[in-house]
Amino acid sequence: KNEVEQSPQNLTAQEGEFITINCSYSVGISALHWLQQHPGGGIVSLFMLSSGKKKHGRLIATINIQEKHSSLHITASHPRDSAVYICAATGLDTSGSRLTFGEGTQLTVNP
Amino acid sequence: SQTIHQWPATLVQPVGSPLSLECTVEGTSNPNLYWYRQAAGRGLQLLFYSVGIGQISSEVPQNLSASRPQDRQFILSSKKLLLSDSGFYLCALVPRGSPLHFGNGTRLTVT
Repeated sequence: KNEVEQSPQNLTAQEGEFITINCSYSVGISALHWLQQHPGGGIVSLFMLSSGKKKHGRLIATINIQEKHSSLHITASHPRDSAVYICAATGLDTSGSRLTFGEGTQLTVNP
Repeated sequence: SQTIHQWPATLVQPVGSPLSLECTVEGTSNPNLYWYRQAAGRGLQLLFYSVGIGQISSEVPQNLSASRPQDRQFILSSKKLLLSDSGFYLCALVPRGSPLHFGNGTRLTVT
């Protein structure tokens, strides 16, 4: 069982819809990251969270430490949001930086 | 600011040939560095991580090895490639308390 699990694996939406991607983790973490991977393969960091909520443009990320759960929301989705969204947890190992990835959510936003 | 350089971007190698992928970082010292592999349509698999020069931890027994000859250099190698080594290889910098940084990746095809 993966220590970080995402749902759904695939998500198709119409332009303008509100989108939620969920992430659950089973270990203690120092931070939770949301990443975006475009078809070319490059990965960019969207958010780093250790508590509460962060917002950047149409993207919102929340985390509930007690429930070991995080969500990524996209408001007013657009076809350019189509990508793989990956949740990753920075673990509480001795170096403080062991990183475990979820399997990713493939998002397709249709015009 | 922290940056990662990874090369080459694409590589086609025959089975049994050697491999050397290089990752260098700028803008930080004593970074924690990681090599990940992503098979087609799959999530990111941690291969190796390094918390300092000469310090390598292997996550998955395989045909690959890693080395950290300098503080800002992390190399992924193989003496003899297998078909199953094909995939997308990413180098990552995991700063404590900061967002993640990824190289642009190397797409390796073993023929």
